[in-house]
Amino acid sequence: DTEVTQTPKHLVMGMTNKKSLKCEQHMGHRAMYWYKQKAKKPPELMFVYSYEKLSINESVPSRFSPECPNSSLLNLHLHALQPEDSALYLCASSQPSSGRANEQFFGPGTRLTVL
Amino acid sequence: DAKTTQPNSMESNEEEPVHLPCNHSTISGTDYIHWYRQLPSQGPEYVIHGLTSNVNNRMASLAIAEDRKSSTLILHRATLRDAAVYYCIRRNSGGSNYKLTFGKGTLLTVNP
Repeated sequence: DTEVTQTPKHLVMGMTNKKSLKCEQHMGHRAMYWYKQKAKKPPELMFVYSYEKLSINESVPSRFSPECPNSSLLNLHLHALQPEDSALYLCASSQPSSGRANEQFFGPGTRLTVL
Repeated sequence: DAKTTQPNSMESNEEEPVHLPCNHSTISGTDYIHWYRQLPSQGPEYVIHGLTSNVNNRMASLAIAEDRKSSTLILHRATLRDAAVYYCIRRNSGGSNYKLTFGKGTLLTVNP
């Protein structure tokens, strides 16, 4: 199984809502990532978890709260988002790099619209 | 920030080879060169990576210049399914080597 799954595929939320994005992989990868991609732009890294611990936060606003409950699951909790947060949110996983160039496997993304 | 330069777009005909260039003139000795592509409405997918030597896999070939300041991704016979945005990425093998910093990429159009 070389698949990263993301749910939901689409999400529409108001600025006062609280919602969560979910990502799952069963490849035994111990590094997991959240990226944000605006239309016609490249993906931008948001967070990296390594062995279930947050290792990189790319100065993401606190209205985005990541969580890694176990080695297969990654969540992104959303609260008080702004319309400009509307984007495709991509999850990825890989083996943690140890001097090697391990490829990242991406999910299909969650298309988020904030009204 | 790791920087690469790619043409904004390229066009090819089906069944013909495609050479996608990438400039990374400030590359350091520990930087790998990765290529990912993103098909419409999908997440990026890994294509190939290399350090110094040319590399081949079932998807593509990667030709790396001797001075490592540029590289070329080669699709030997383009198909309509190869139409995508192709990203050339420098990735440091040391330190916080988890990061992929995507540039703008090259939009490849394949004509039937």
